[in-house]
Amino acid sequence: AQSVTQPDIHITVSEGASLELRCNYSYGATPYLFWYVQSPGQGLQLLLKYFSGDTLVQGIKGFEAEFKRSQSSFNLRKPSVHWSDAAEYFCAVGSNYQLIWGAGTKLIIKP
Amino acid sequence: SAVISQKPSRDICQRGTSLTIQCQVDSQVTMMFWYRQQPGQSLTLIATANQGSEATYESGFVIDKFPISRPNLTFSTLTVSNMSPEDSSIYLCSVAGTGRAETQYFGPGTRLLVL
Repeated sequence: AQSVTQPDIHITVSEGASLELRCNYSYGATPYLFWYVQSPGQGLQLLLKYFSGDTLVQGIKGFEAEFKRSQSSFNLRKPSVHWSDAAEYFCAVGSNYQLIWGAGTKLIIKP
Repeated sequence: SAVISQKPSRDICQRGTSLTIQCQVDSQVTMMFWYRQQPGQSLTLIATANQGSEATYESGFVIDKFPISRPNLTFSTLTVSNMSPEDSSIYLCSVAGTGRAETQYFGPGTRLLVL
């Protein structure tokens, strides 16, 4: 069955600390991979995406993600978080417009 | 990326009534999608709306409850009919181009509370 797992419902990090949000997937073929962010009261904004090529992709707001085929993972990272990064982060995988969504990880920033 | 707007941004409705949500895009797009995000949950696709054809509904969603219109390449509406408190959610529209390797871009959402 196709699925996306974001194992952490909540993550709390201190401002300035590094961040890694996990995403694992189960899919029949190599999918296209996405990370979106949803700030409180907002819609979803695309952070980054992987279609092919270099497995380390750079996104907006200083985020990056690494596709690891052997681990079926697409983890999101940021070297130093800012208070404005507090939001919910969704991993999605799929192709031909059929996206499978993770449950989301809520990022809490400690001052 | 396309600029997408939704109206209304939020509403409070009485049970048994209907609400029509509008999604407007600043450029022509082939694919439009409607999602529901229930409180504290992830996104669930309601239907795919392509211009010139009937909307395609996902399992668990029916046209009588969620009629969709797609009159042109920049506009779509979703109606939530005969509402109940269980319909309280954020409703999001998204758009994508025609290529296989495409990205969905989302509107700001409509926050609906049904009393």
